[in-house]
Amino acid sequence: RKEVEQDPGPFNVPEGATVAFNCTYSNSASQSFFWYRQDCRKEPKLLMSVYSSGNEDGRFTAQLNRASQYISLLIRDSKLSDSATYLCVVDLSGTYKYIFGTGTRLKVLA
Amino acid sequence: DGGITQSPKYLFRKEGQNVTLSCEQNLNHDAMYWYRQDPGQGLRLIYYSQIVNDFQKGDIAEGYSVSREKKESFPLTVTSAQKNPTAFYLCASSRQAGPYEQYFGPGTRLTVT
Repeated sequence: RKEVEQDPGPFNVPEGATVAFNCTYSNSASQSFFWYRQDCRKEPKLLMSVYSSGNEDGRFTAQLNRASQYISLLIRDSKLSDSATYLCVVDLSGTYKYIFGTGTRLKVLA
Repeated sequence: DGGITQSPKYLFRKEGQNVTLSCEQNLNHDAMYWYRQDPGQGLRLIYYSQIVNDFQKGDIAEGYSVSREKKESFPLTVTSAQKNPTAFYLCASSRQAGPYEQYFGPGTRLTVT
């Protein structure tokens, strides 16, 4: 099993739709979780950290499910500008390393 | 205007040549990281540094070298020993090593022919 797994997509959704991505992780001791956004041929940019209690920032909501070992990202009222690849990042417990997922590609269609 | 800068944005080299990629940050972060990204793969850690004058190998350090003589700077040298050097190289920093958000520079695309 990969340390971090994401559905590569693409998820093609119409503007205004709600879309959700999941990311599963294998290390039950992981403590830090993040979602990054990466545009084509650009660097990843931090979207949000994922806390045990969940985290909401405008149209974006991140959740952590420790029992099932996954994190999720929900995007409401999708905009064309949300089109990007969303990377899930999980710490490798006991080290200073992070494991990056390969990303889920989102296309928001007009 | 705080941030991380990487230069150059694009770099072309002939096989057998060493090349050094620059990474500078003015965020006053202690920790810095180098990753490479290949199509269809997640970012892979090359080297990281928790503090000045200290650095550790990541998962794919072979064929690379780094130095951390100043807090702001963490250059990466891609040596001729690196078998597949063509990739997108990303530098990142975080407040400290550990469970902190990492912030990335704009990256350098290296092409070796």
